[in-house]
Order: sequence, then C-alpha cells, then structure tokens
Amino acid sequence: DTGVSQDPRHKITKRGQNVTFRCDPISEHNRLYWYRQTLGQGPEFLTYFQNEAQLEKSRLLSDRFSAERPKGSFSTLEIQRTEQGDSAMYLCASSFQPSAGANVLTFGAGSRLTVL
Amino acid sequence: AQSVTQLGSHVSVSEGALVLLRCNYSSSVPPYLFWYVQYPNQGLQLLLKYTTGATLVKGINGFEAEFKKSETSFHLTKPSAHMSDAAEYFCAVSRFYNQGGKLIFGQGTELSVKP
Repeated sequence: DTGVSQDPRHKITKRGQNVTFRCDPISEHNRLYWYRQTLGQGPEFLTYFQNEAQLEKSRLLSDRFSAERPKGSFSTLEIQRTEQGDSAMYLCASSFQPSAGANVLTFGAGSRLTVL
Repeated sequence: AQSVTQLGSHVSVSEGALVLLRCNYSSSVPPYLFWYVQYPNQGLQLLLKYTTGATLVKGINGFEAEFKKSETSFHLTKPSAHMSDAAEYFCAVSRFYNQGGKLIFGQGTELSVKP
C-alpha cells in the first residue's frame, strides 16, 4: 500500500492555459474522489467515481472542468482555460466502499494550482 | 442536506493544556462523523471516526471525540497538547453510502500550541 499519489504537487500556469492533474489511488480501492480546497477553507467535493463510472458531479465543477477514470484505476482532472479563481489545492481521495457502513477516505497530498 | 460547523477558525493552547475543538453537524439521519488532521503541505489524515455503537471514540495521537446526538455535536479533545499537535483539523459528516458516501467538511480549525 503506497497510499494515494498525486502529480504534479505544484503547478503554476498563466490564465487561459489548460492544466491536468493525475491521481493514483490505492490499488484495491473502488471509489475515487476529487476535492478542492482554498486557503482557510475545508475541502469541497467536486466529483467521484465508482470504478470507471463518474457517478456525481458538484455544481462547483463548471464546464471547464473534466475528470476521467478510464480503466477504473488512475484518474485525471483537467481544467481548461484556467482562471485566477481556479487557484486552489486539488485533493484526490480513494476508498473501498463496502455495501454498507462508513466510507473512509484516504487522501493524497494534493496538487496546488496557482493561476497567474 | 448535511452540513458541519466548526466553532473557532483558530484555537491556541499551551503545551500540556487541554485541547478542545468544537464541531456541530446537521443531518436528517444518524450521521457518520469524522475528524481529519492536515499538517502543512500534506494530505488529510484520519484521526478518528464515529459510525455506530459507543459514542466515545478514541483515535490516534491521544485524541478522542464524543458523539452527542441531543446536542448534534462531535467535539474533539486531547487531555494534554503537544507541540506536534499544531495543525489544521477538519470535522466531516457522511451517511449515504449508496449515494456516494462523500464527506462534507467543516471550514477547519487551526490549532496552535505554545511552548
């Protein structure tokens, strides 16, 4: 178990550019979540996958955002035409969701995006 | 809808003093409750969780929390603060495992520990 890995850890880009973040979850985990965290705030849910299916997207996820988990393993989060308001920490988490009971998320260290 | 309120965005205690971080939740059904800790430049780490059963939950690093349904609270405590406890602490709620099981977080409480 190597934990949840995120890449890159830091990304600085100019407004209008596209960026992509990658998340490698814990291998046996069937669920994968993306959260966004801005300074001084708690993480906000963006979207989640069960295996390769994207089952829910937050209203925070505008049309410029797209997430994929093509083979049910790693996931990518792409932001097109970045805006300064997209500057945040993007957190990935994974879990093995049983049929019932609490869903315990394991988080990666995050990818920090700075849009100039 | 579920929500979490953490009272106090910043708490400062002296080393060796009691740590008390407050969390109140709103949920129409019995919730699952969590405390996570975040150290600088690191991801969130689970401290403890309440699902069912015993309402006093013990976690890592000497922390514990008590689920009080009547008060809709899940406050985090530690009898004696250590310098290494300085971090950001987040309370979170979830319930609907068949609707994603996602966590809803509070805004966080930054804990400072003075020597």
